[in-house]
Amino acid sequence: NAGVTQTPKFQVLKTGQSMTLQCAQDMNHNSMYWYRQDPGMGLRLIYYSASEGTTDKGEVPNGYNVSRLNKREFSLRLESAAPSQTSVYFCASRDRGTNQPQHFGDGTRLSIL
Amino acid sequence: KQEVTQIPAALSVPEGENLVLNCSFTDSAIYNLQWFRQDPGKGLTSLLLIQSSQREQTSGRLNASLDKSSGRSTLYIAASQPGDSATYLCAVTISGSARQLTFGSGTQLTVLP
Repeated sequence: NAGVTQTPKFQVLKTGQSMTLQCAQDMNHNSMYWYRQDPGMGLRLIYYSASEGTTDKGEVPNGYNVSRLNKREFSLRLESAAPSQTSVYFCASRDRGTNQPQHFGDGTRLSIL
Repeated sequence: KQEVTQIPAALSVPEGENLVLNCSFTDSAIYNLQWFRQDPGKGLTSLLLIQSSQREQTSGRLNASLDKSSGRSTLYIAASQPGDSATYLCAVTISGSARQLTFGSGTQLTVLP
C-alpha cells in the first residue's frame, strides 16, 4: 500500500547542476501536484497536472519544469539549480471529485551549494 | 489572492489539556478546508476535510469547525497526548479545475509529558 512515492529522499547539488525529482502514485488518481516547503512557511504550489496529458503553473514555477509521463508518474526537473531552490519538495495526488483530499509523499530534501 | 494564516506559530501545553488551533483565510470562495499533520522529516497526513457546506467534522479526539463567512476554522484536540506533538497545517481548496491547495505556515505543537 505505497500511496505516493518520491525519489530520491535526499540530494545535494552544486549550483548549475540539473536534476529530476521523481513521483509515482498507485491510487489511480487523476490530479498530481508538486509543492515546495521552506522553513517557517507553508507549502507553495510549483506545478500541477489536473489529468494525464496536462500541466499548469502554480504559484512559484520559475526555474522548474514538469512532465506528466503517464497517469502514475509526475516528475519535476531543475534545469540549472540555484541556492534559492534549496527546499523540501513534496508530491501529492488527488482523486476525482471536489472534496477528495490530497495524499502526500514523504518529500525530497534538496540542498544546493 | 487567497492567504491563509495560522496563529500561534508554536504552542506548548501539558499532557491532558484540551487545545484549539486557529486558521484564518481571506477569501471565503473555497470548496473545502483541510487540516494536516506533519511529523518531523515526514510528509503530510490528512486529518480532517470540511466541505464548504459543512460546519464541522470529527475524528476521534479531533474536531474541526468551519465558519466560511468569517474566514475562520479551528482544530480542537481533546485530552492532548505527547504523541500529538507535530506541526499542524490548514489548507483551503481554491477555485480552479485542479483544486489547488493554499496552505498556512502551520502551528508547531508540543505536548509535554
